[in-house]
Amino acid sequence: RKEVEQDPGPFNVPEGATVAFNCTYSNSASQSFFWYRQDCRKEPKLLMSVYSSGNEDGRFTAQLNRASQYISLLIRDSKLSDSATYLCVVNDPRYGGNEKLTFGTGTRLTIIP
Amino acid sequence: GAVVSQHPSWVICKSGTSVKIECRSLDFQATTMFWYRQFPKQSLMLMATSNEGSKATYEQGVEKDKFLINHASLTLSTLTVTSAHPEDSSFYICSASLAPFLAATYEQYFGPGTRLTVT
Repeated sequence: RKEVEQDPGPFNVPEGATVAFNCTYSNSASQSFFWYRQDCRKEPKLLMSVYSSGNEDGRFTAQLNRASQYISLLIRDSKLSDSATYLCVVNDPRYGGNEKLTFGTGTRLTIIP
Repeated sequence: GAVVSQHPSWVICKSGTSVKIECRSLDFQATTMFWYRQFPKQSLMLMATSNEGSKATYEQGVEKDKFLINHASLTLSTLTVTSAHPEDSSFYICSASLAPFLAATYEQYFGPGTRLTVT
């Protein structure tokens, strides 16, 4: 089983729609969770950290379900600029101190005008 | 947010030569920097963790003699790909981690990446 698993997509969604991505992780001891977005041939950029209580940042909502080891990202009122690859990222708890991150392979999203 | 720069942004070199890539944290001190490699349509794969003033820790399967890492200061880490071969062609990305007392979690901020092509 992959450490971090995501549906690779692609998701082709009309502008203005709501889209949700899911991600599962294998190590129950993981403590830090993130969503990054990566544009084609660019570096990943932190979209949001994911907290146990769930958190929202504008049109983006992230949720964490520790019991199911599941993370989600919801994008409302999608914009053309949301087209990107969304990476689910989880810390590797085997290493103390500065934590290493494990990246999912990403979910490709294209917003259609 | 924290800014990380990387230089060069792209490089083409001949097989057998060495290439040095620099990673700098511009507006913060990073005790730890990470070096990743990403092949087309694949996820980022961690190559090594670099701590200022100490030897880098390499991931399994990454040759430390081929990928030399130096972290001489709190704002600069370098990766040198020695005796590069075409199979080393990839997108190399560094990241820097904010110290835990500066962020709620271990967020990493990425440099813009270096696209290496070995001919």
